[in-house]
Amino acid sequence: DTGVSQDPRHKITKRGQNVTFRCDPISEHNRLYWYRQTLGQGPEFLTYFQNEAQLEKSRLLSDRFSAERPKGSFSTLEIQRTEQGDSAMYLCASSLSLGQGEYEQYFGPGTRLTVT
Amino acid sequence: AQSVTQLDSQVPVFEEAPVELRCNYSSSVSVYLFWYVQYPNQGLQLLLKYLSGSTLVKGINGFEAEFNKSQTSFHLRKPSVHISDTAEYFCAVSDSRGYSTLTFGKGTMLLVSP
Repeated sequence: DTGVSQDPRHKITKRGQNVTFRCDPISEHNRLYWYRQTLGQGPEFLTYFQNEAQLEKSRLLSDRFSAERPKGSFSTLEIQRTEQGDSAMYLCASSLSLGQGEYEQYFGPGTRLTVT
Repeated sequence: AQSVTQLDSQVPVFEEAPVELRCNYSSSVSVYLFWYVQYPNQGLQLLLKYLSGSTLVKGINGFEAEFNKSQTSFHLRKPSVHISDTAEYFCAVSDSRGYSTLTFGKGTMLLVSP
């Protein structure tokens, strides 16, 4: 069990550029979540997938944000035309959902985005 | 919809002293409750969770928490802290009808000094 991995760990970009982050969940996990954590705050939910289907999106997820999980394994989160307010830690989590139950979410180390 | 309030943004404590980190929640439905710990520049690690049953839940690293439904609280405790417990602690809640998304509090920074 290698855990949840995220790439890159750090990203510095200029305002207006596009960025893409990758998350590799624990291999047998069918659910994948994206959260955003700004300084001094707890993580806030952005979106989640069950297999390849995106089941829920937060109002925080503006139209500049898009997430995919094309084969139900890894996921990407893209931010277009970045703004300084996008600077945050982007956390990915995965879990196993069976029937009506779901086991706890395991978090990756995060990608810290700085928009200059 | 759920919300979580962590009443203390920072808790300073001396090594080997007991500590309590407070968490209150609000929800119109039954909930599951969690405590996560985050060390600097790392992701979140689950300390413990309450799903059902006994209201006293024991977790890793000697932490425990007690669910109090009437007071809508889920306070985290440790009888004797170590320097290595210095970290940010987050309380979180999810809808018990299926874990689904987690709603987090703003976190409490536990600062343990010698």
